[in-house]
Amino acid sequence: KAGVTQTPRYLIKTRGQQVTLSCSPISGHRSVSWYQQTPGQGLQFLFEYFSETQRNKGNFPGRFSGRQFSNSRSEMNVSTLELGDSALYLCASSISSGSTTDTQYFGPGTRLTVL
Amino acid sequence: SQQGEEDPQALSIQEGENATMNCSYKTSINNLQWYRQNSGRGLVHLILIRSNEREKHSGRLRVTLDTSKKSSSLLITASRAADTASYFCATEKRGGFQKLVFGTGTRLLVSP
Repeated sequence: KAGVTQTPRYLIKTRGQQVTLSCSPISGHRSVSWYQQTPGQGLQFLFEYFSETQRNKGNFPGRFSGRQFSNSRSEMNVSTLELGDSALYLCASSISSGSTTDTQYFGPGTRLTVL
Repeated sequence: SQQGEEDPQALSIQEGENATMNCSYKTSINNLQWYRQNSGRGLVHLILIRSNEREKHSGRLRVTLDTSKKSSSLLITASRAADTASYFCATEKRGGFQKLVFGTGTRLLVSP
């Protein structure tokens, strides 16, 4: 099976712009989660989608949003970019069969740089 | 803020030696997972241990979990240069619905 894919891999934007990142989960996986990784804050949970519904959300401002499509692919959007949004954005997918012990499989990440 | 704290923050050993990393967390959990990350890339899942398990093995990896102390350890035996990476523990809280809370990570350097 192909792994989790994320596009683009690298992105450079300027303050005030918006950006959309894409994630394709492993085939058959219905849950997609997003994480932000920065040197200062480490790995932080953004949100999780299951069957096109946001099921869980981290402590991020409303500028961060996401959605999931019927084929389980997910996108996240960041509006009005700030310098502090520069980070590695990681997407993870899991089967989410109802068990709470699903393994999450991560993609390679999108490196966003805000100038 | 992160829930987990890991120590040491950095560990430098020689090939063939064992590496032990520790993780502490704060709340009741469903499970604890360990991940490896090479040079700011994606995370690779290593092992998952459920809250009702005390020890688990996978190849050269041994994980222990002590829920009374809210701590876990990862042991890598007979380390190789290819094990050089950052290692993170991640916990799923009860009712967490796939939300993982990551520790601060341990940077492991294995020298040939």
